[in-house]
Amino acid sequence: GDSVTQMEGPVTLSEEAFLTINCTYTATGYPSLFWYVQYPGEGLQLLLKATKADDKGSNKGFEATYRKETTSFHLEKGSVQVSDSAVYFCALSKFMDTGRRALTFGSGTRLQVQP
Amino acid sequence: DTEVTQTPKHLVMGMTNKKSLKCEQHMGHRAMYWYKQKAKKPPELMFVYSYEKLSINESVPSRFSPECPNSSLLNLHLHALQPEDSALYLCASSHIVFGTGGRVDEKLFFGSGTQLSVL
Repeated sequence: GDSVTQMEGPVTLSEEAFLTINCTYTATGYPSLFWYVQYPGEGLQLLLKATKADDKGSNKGFEATYRKETTSFHLEKGSVQVSDSAVYFCALSKFMDTGRRALTFGSGTRLQVQP
Repeated sequence: DTEVTQTPKHLVMGMTNKKSLKCEQHMGHRAMYWYKQKAKKPPELMFVYSYEKLSINESVPSRFSPECPNSSLLNLHLHALQPEDSALYLCASSHIVFGTGGRVDEKLFFGSGTQLSVL
């Protein structure tokens, strides 16, 4: 079945450091790929997405490129802030037989940014 | 209004209790979802409703009973739960967005969740 693999956390960085969180996937067909962020005590918020190969999703300084050849969707940010501390989930999405989309999540990576 | 509202935010219940979780959205979305998230784990899909009809049940035990009384509301009725059912229960909703080239894409909006503890 479809699956998503993320790097183990926590990732601890100093403010203004460069961030990379690795994500690889296994899926049949052509899934869309997503990064969601979860702040403490809250639900999930869509951070960015890409719907086909070579698409680059970007939002709030975060970027990720859909690489079909390496089945990867790594999350990057050039300069992290303390407010970026959260859990980040990579996810893939495919339409199911019902015509609705189902998300499969990775295990999540906790990011801790220190001042 | 771009919110999915879940109530209550926290719930503590005994194994013999009956309780309900509620979810509401006013974005005109016609699909609604329940996810279960254990501590330090990713969310796992439980149910999907499409146009107020149950379309996906991911082999969830019958002690969880979903209900979608109208296109804005989604309930999850709980009965005879076990301590291992303690988790964050997330509701989500979605509409269909037509992207470039006519591609159909679907964006999910999540609520903040109900933190459930079963004693």
